Amino acid sequence: AQSVSQHNHHVILSEAASLELGCNYSYGGTVNLFWYVQYPGQHLQLLLKYFSGDPLVKGIKGFEAEFIKSKFSFNLRKPSVQWSDTAEYFCAVSGFVSNNAGNMLTFGGGTRLMVKP
Amino acid sequence: NAGVTQTPKFHILKTGQSMTLQCAQDMNHGYLSWYRQDPGMGLRRIHYSVAAGITDKGEVPDGYNVSRSNTEDFPLRLESAAPSQTSVYFCASSYSVTRRKPPSTDTQYFGPGTRLTVL
Repeated sequence: AQSVSQHNHHVILSEAASLELGCNYSYGGTVNLFWYVQYPGQHLQLLLKYFSGDPLVKGIKGFEAEFIKSKFSFNLRKPSVQWSDTAEYFCAVSGFVSNNAGNMLTFGGGTRLMVKP
Repeated sequence: NAGVTQTPKFHILKTGQSMTLQCAQDMNHGYLSWYRQDPGMGLRRIHYSVAAGITDKGEVPDGYNVSRSNTEDFPLRLESAAPSQTSVYFCASSYSVTRRKPPSTDTQYFGPGTRLTVL
């Protein structure tokens, strides 16, 4: 079964600090990778996604992520965070499960980021 | 387009009561799913549907039922609520090219969520 681990449950940063959130997954087949963000009181929104090609993908609001296949990782980065980046971030992996179940999107447990002004 | 809408936003139930959470999308998406979000566990899929008339179980289906009579609506029913079903519920949709397989590459669009408390 596929699984996704986000090792940092809570991260506190000051504005302008650099951010890196870890995401590791366990799955033997081809995967597609996503980062979603949930701002306080809002629903999940897609930050970025990786399907194939350049392993460094750029998303909205200055976020980027790098897929390292050998490490089964898809870490999220931002060079300089802002107070408005305070949110919960979810890594997700989509992989083929079976002919009956098709593909399944599995989420990590989430990382709560607080940016202090 | 309104996107994905969910009602109600909040609700409190007593153990044993029944309730239906509503989900609707107006983007002509084929794929709809229900997730529950619990602290530290991310989102877990309850049930999903790839098209009207077709539903399947996700990771945590017990205690929940779904139906899909048309493209737009995907209600989630709790027949006899339990405190363990206290959670935030999200409905999500995506465009599905392949009728019988949930999409792997399509972006999922999430509704605003329903916060449900079972006492």
